[in-house]
Amino acid sequence: EVQLVESGGDLVQPGGSLRLSCAASGFTFSMYSMSWVRQAPGKGLEWVSIISSDGGVTFYADSVKGRFTISRDNSKDTLYLQMNSLRAEDTAAYYCAKGAPLRSGRTREFDYWGQGTLVTVSS
Amino acid sequence: EIVLTQSPDILSLSPGERATLSCRASQSVSSSSLAWYQRKPGQAPRLLIYGASSRATGIPDRFTGSGSGTDFTLTISRLEPEDFAVYYCQQFDSSPTWTFGRGTKVEIK
Repeated sequence: EVQLVESGGDLVQPGGSLRLSCAASGFTFSMYSMSWVRQAPGKGLEWVSIISSDGGVTFYADSVKGRFTISRDNSKDTLYLQMNSLRAEDTAAYYCAKGAPLRSGRTREFDYWGQGTLVTVSS
Repeated sequence: EIVLTQSPDILSLSPGERATLSCRASQSVSSSSLAWYQRKPGQAPRLLIYGASSRATGIPDRFTGSGSGTDFTLTISRLEPEDFAVYYCQQFDSSPTWTFGRGTKVEIK
């Protein structure tokens, strides 16, 4: 059974930093891209970042580019999101999501998700 | 950036009824890149449909995805009690960007 368990969410002051982790199990972690998706209170889902299966390729939403860094440790089956220069608008539940098997070489959707970890940015 | 608009915001139906959910894109979306998810309170989102019309693993055949271009539809043929939830559409484009709609809540009438 695929399991994705996020951790690291917390209350942090504006301008602060936080690192989220996502522990994966139930599948061959090193074979799939992984992503972070967030949902702010009362808002819809927003894709944040994605990393290729080997960690060599990353992409970010414009809203977090230059502030957030996605990474992975395939030896530990763990995905990370380093969040710096946090802003109030980064307040959200952050979800780890597994990329579905590639179709035409692309991750087009996410086939398993975690339960999320809550990040609150407030003074 | 492609914007996905879902309608209606809320759909009030009874068990056994048919649900029709709409997802309209601000510009044409490849059918291979349109997905639908189900989200229940306190649970992780679940992939229902990918490639606009292919059911994900373990998804019952009462869930059907259809559409092309800018208009896509998720149909639930006969609502079961466990189907009352929020449904999101999502598209992928080659920027690359993954974009979600705001969701449609299917609630018990």
